[in-house]
This record gives sequence, structure tokens and C-alpha cells, in this order.
Amino acid sequence: KQEVTQIPAALSVPEGENLVLNCSFTDSAIYNLQWFRQDPGKGLTSLLLIQSSQREQTSGRLNASLDKSSGRSTLYIAASQPGDSATYLCAVRPLGNQGGKLIFGQGTELSVKP
Amino acid sequence: GAVVSQHPSWVICKSGTSVKIECRSLDFQATTMFWYRQFPKQSLMLMATSNEGSKATYEQGVEKDKFLINHASLTLSTLTVTSAHPEDSSFYICSALGGAGVNSPLHFGNGTRLTVT
Repeated sequence: KQEVTQIPAALSVPEGENLVLNCSFTDSAIYNLQWFRQDPGKGLTSLLLIQSSQREQTSGRLNASLDKSSGRSTLYIAASQPGDSATYLCAVRPLGNQGGKLIFGQGTELSVKP
Repeated sequence: GAVVSQHPSWVICKSGTSVKIECRSLDFQATTMFWYRQFPKQSLMLMATSNEGSKATYEQGVEKDKFLINHASLTLSTLTVTSAHPEDSSFYICSALGGAGVNSPLHFGNGTRLTVT
């Protein structure tokens, strides 16, 4: 059974700091891995999607890596800003299931202090 | 870009009543939609997969008679929480698959906060 774990559960950093969020998954049989942002009481905003054949994806100050063989992904946020404060979720799309089913981690709650 | 509209964004109901939540794909057709549930400070848990024109597929432990799903058109899926109880209070989010391939994009609604008093 696929399980997704995110560490740390919460993180507080001063503005301007670079930071790394971690995601691990137990089964490497995935189509892709996706990082989302969730603001309190809101839905999900997709940040980056990495296909199983890819190693990393970049968008602005965000960089996500994927090591499928070891079951790990990281989300790197450069020069953090207070507006980055949110919960970050990673999710994998398992092979062999109906396309679109995602398994989510518990999330990392990020707080960037001005 | 593709938009999924979820309505209502929040609802308060009395214990024992039923509540219907709608999920609409506004500018694309979605043969498959997904319903998730999220408790405070926890992750999203898949409840069921909704396929247009057929019965929904429920995840283990989810009561299909309590959480009724209807996907009558290619742009609308509904989740009805029947005989709601306080323990059903949660954040419900739908997503719609924007294509037929396994790497088709997923588009999420903004969620519905259900509070049962």
C-alpha cells in the first residue's frame, strides 16, 4: 500500500531564507509526483508536477526534485517570502489505478516571518 | 486555464439533514472526478472516484449509502452527505481529470467547509 510522508510537519523561518521540504513514498510505481500549495480553508494550487522519468522541475523560486528509486522528493524554496506561508502537500499518482487518483502526504505547514 | 467550480464554499446544517455539494468543470469535460475529505491539520483522503454515467467507486471504509455520488453529465458531479452528523464536519474537495491519459492534468475545486451542528 502506497504511503506518503512529509517532513517536517511544520516549519517556521525568517524571511529571505532558503528552505527544503521533504516528501517520501513507499512504492516507486508511480506515474508522477506533484507538489501543491494550500492556503487555510482553501483548495489546492498545483505548483510543480514531475513525471516519473524526470529528475526535477523548476518554476520561479521553486525547484522540485524526484528520486523515484529511493522514494524521495524535495521542494526547494529560494529566498522565502511571507507570502509563501501556507501548507505544502506532495502527492503521488500510483500506477495501475484509475488515472487521476492521488495519494497525499500530511503536508508541511510553512510560516515565513517578516 | 481549466477551472473547477465547487459549490457551496461553506455550509452549516443541523444533524440529521442532508447536504448536497456540487463540482462543475467549467470549460472542459470531465469523465472522471474525485472526491476528497480533509480533517483539520490532516491530509486529503480520497473518498470515491466518480465516473460519468456509471456508479462511483468508493474507497475502503467510506459508506456509499451515506455519501451519495452522482455524475450525470460530463461537467457535473455531486456529493450528497445524507443524514449528516457532527462527525461528518470536514472540508470536502473535488477534482476533475482534464483528459483521458494517465498524465492528464487534475484540476481542483476550492473546497466546501461542512459544519454539522
